[in-house]
Amino acid sequence: EPEVTQTPSHQVTQMGQEVILRCVPISNHLYFYWYRQILGQKVEFLVSFYNNEISEKSEIFDDQFSVERPDGSNFTLKIRSTKLEDSAMYFCASSAPYEQYFGPGTRLTVT
Amino acid sequence: AQSVTQLDSQVPVFEEAPVELRCNYSSSVSVYLFWYVQYPNQGLQLLLKYLSGSTLVKGINGFEAEFNKSQTSFHLRKPSVHISDTAEYFCAVIKAAGNKLTFGGGTRVLVKP
Repeated sequence: EPEVTQTPSHQVTQMGQEVILRCVPISNHLYFYWYRQILGQKVEFLVSFYNNEISEKSEIFDDQFSVERPDGSNFTLKIRSTKLEDSAMYFCASSAPYEQYFGPGTRLTVT
Repeated sequence: AQSVTQLDSQVPVFEEAPVELRCNYSSSVSVYLFWYVQYPNQGLQLLLKYLSGSTLVKGINGFEAEFNKSQTSFHLRKPSVHISDTAEYFCAVIKAAGNKLTFGGGTRVLVKP
């Protein structure tokens, strides 16, 4: 069964460093998303991406964040200068279009 | 904007007993509804969805949910749980014309032998 994959599973970085989280969505899906879940809190929407552009983003998704689909398979989330409060589990999802399928997540720890 | 409330943060239940997880939502527009399950140290897995049609929807692993528009609810049920159902369950909604999922706070189900 096709699935969304994410790498790495765990990333530790120092405050102020740039990180790139990678995702491979399900191959025939057209819509891509990033969500995050801070420990003990709700899963929160960050951004959706369709047709090579951002279709919607949340207030959390400020200028420190960017997304890219550099080739036909990968979908990345970049955090330019990480803060302590960026520590969270980051989930990638894809859909075609309503049922969103999630990857296993990347746990980002900012020290 | 949409919001989702899961009234129970934790539900302990004995094996083979029934379980109901409550979910209420608010929205000024039509929505689609979903339940996801997160097993320990894993991602979110889609359990079931309501897009249209019959208000009683069946999902994987013996779960079902009923959409009640008048009560703006989408409660999840399973008649007999297994130890393997121990997980966190999330209710989520999406605008019918949108693509952003709004999640509830989750309900942690602990199945005891």
